[in-house]
Amino acid sequence: NAGVTQTPKFRVLKTGQSMTLLCAQDMNHEYMYWYRQDPGMGLRLIHYSVGEGTTAKGEVPDGYNVSRLKKQNFLLGLESAAPSQTSVYFCASSYGRAKNIQYFGAGTRLSVL
Amino acid sequence: AQTVTQSQPEMSVQEAETVTLSCTYDTSENNYYLFWYKQPPSRQMILVIRQEAYKQQNATENRFSVNFQKAAKSFSLKISDSQLGDTAMYFCAFMKHQGTYKYIFGTGTRLKVLA
Repeated sequence: NAGVTQTPKFRVLKTGQSMTLLCAQDMNHEYMYWYRQDPGMGLRLIHYSVGEGTTAKGEVPDGYNVSRLKKQNFLLGLESAAPSQTSVYFCASSYGRAKNIQYFGAGTRLSVL
Repeated sequence: AQTVTQSQPEMSVQEAETVTLSCTYDTSENNYYLFWYKQPPSRQMILVIRQEAYKQQNATENRFSVNFQKAAKSFSLKISDSQLGDTAMYFCAFMKHQGTYKYIFGTGTRLKVLA
């Protein structure tokens, strides 16, 4: 029962470096989401996808790009990391008949120095 | 736009006692869903309970129950017989009934259960 798997779990970057966070789900879910969690602010939606090959902006999309080339994978990219992107990143997915329940990964803690 | 407000940043409760976490929201929608998620120190987000706005009956899941007041736009979580394992961050979330199924989260309430 893998569910939603995020890699890596921890990462430290220097300002200006790039990286990609991988989210993989084995539940054949249509919808996938990327959130960031900051102290005192709850979870905020960065980007989401309603199906393979489609993506859309969420609440805080600036500085991030995403791709959904395969149904089971949703990638979050930082092209030029900034200290303001230090956060914990969560991926989630949901499926057809019960789209209203999202299943979350364990999160990635990212520090940008 | 929808908003979700959790006005209690931190709370504590004695083991075996009952505690209520507050959540209010603002929306012009008539049909929607409300959720409580638990985030323990492991960071894993766990669904605690879900409420459908068009259902009058309050949802319950074992020791967890909600008080859903649609007119007041209030959605509180009651935890009965609190256990040490209930220590966690609790998030209230809103989702429209139709659309792209996006959650709007509150800022969370940190609950500590005391032995």
